[in-house]
Amino acid sequence: DTEVTQTPKHLVMGMTNKKSLKCEQHMGHRAMYWYKQKAKKPPELMFVYSYEKLSINESVPSRFSPECPNSSLLNLHLHALQPEDSALYLCASSLIQGDDNSPLHFGNGTRLTVT
Amino acid sequence: AQKVTQAQTEISVVEKEDVTLDCVYETRDTTYYLFWYKQPPSGELVFLIRRNSFDEQNEISGRYSWNFQKSTSSFNFTITASQVVDSAVYFCALSEAHTGNTPLVFGKGTRLSVIA
Repeated sequence: DTEVTQTPKHLVMGMTNKKSLKCEQHMGHRAMYWYKQKAKKPPELMFVYSYEKLSINESVPSRFSPECPNSSLLNLHLHALQPEDSALYLCASSLIQGDDNSPLHFGNGTRLTVT
Repeated sequence: AQKVTQAQTEISVVEKEDVTLDCVYETRDTTYYLFWYKQPPSGELVFLIRRNSFDEQNEISGRYSWNFQKSTSSFNFTITASQVVDSAVYFCALSEAHTGNTPLVFGKGTRLSVIA
């Protein structure tokens, strides 16, 4: 079982809905990440939080809004999404950002469908 | 700019066959890290191995082995006596030292199907 837990596993939402994806880890990691993965494509980095502060935003549209309430939790708030935003959203964590001894640990992902 | 190429899009093998997944990378850094991840149908990315650029020693872990060759910028992954449970998409990834382990640059992945 993965040590990074993501909920929900599946989400279907309309373009006018507001929803949130949640990610939790209890490994004491201080860096957390959101990746987006389209079908048959590699994961693409969206955001990185380091010590609960946003450190990287890969020019993600504002309809995606990340939040890191504490070192164990990472949320991704969704609003006014488009059908092309349908994808697998993966959360990951590592001990700290930039630590060469700390590979990323990924969750199972949330499969999002925007109708 | 860093780049990872996995030329094999899909591979099918019969159970118990050996299979090698290729990974070729490009980087200007002298210090970098290479990774392999497995993504089964359930979706999660499972970390398999990390190798830094100064450690060219090949590694074996059970049926898995990795061959790192800086001279050819390759980090190939071999599964010996493949099993149906090995069926997954395998990603090779690279990060450069000045960015630490983020952001990882992933290859496009190789989909391995092991047929019983």
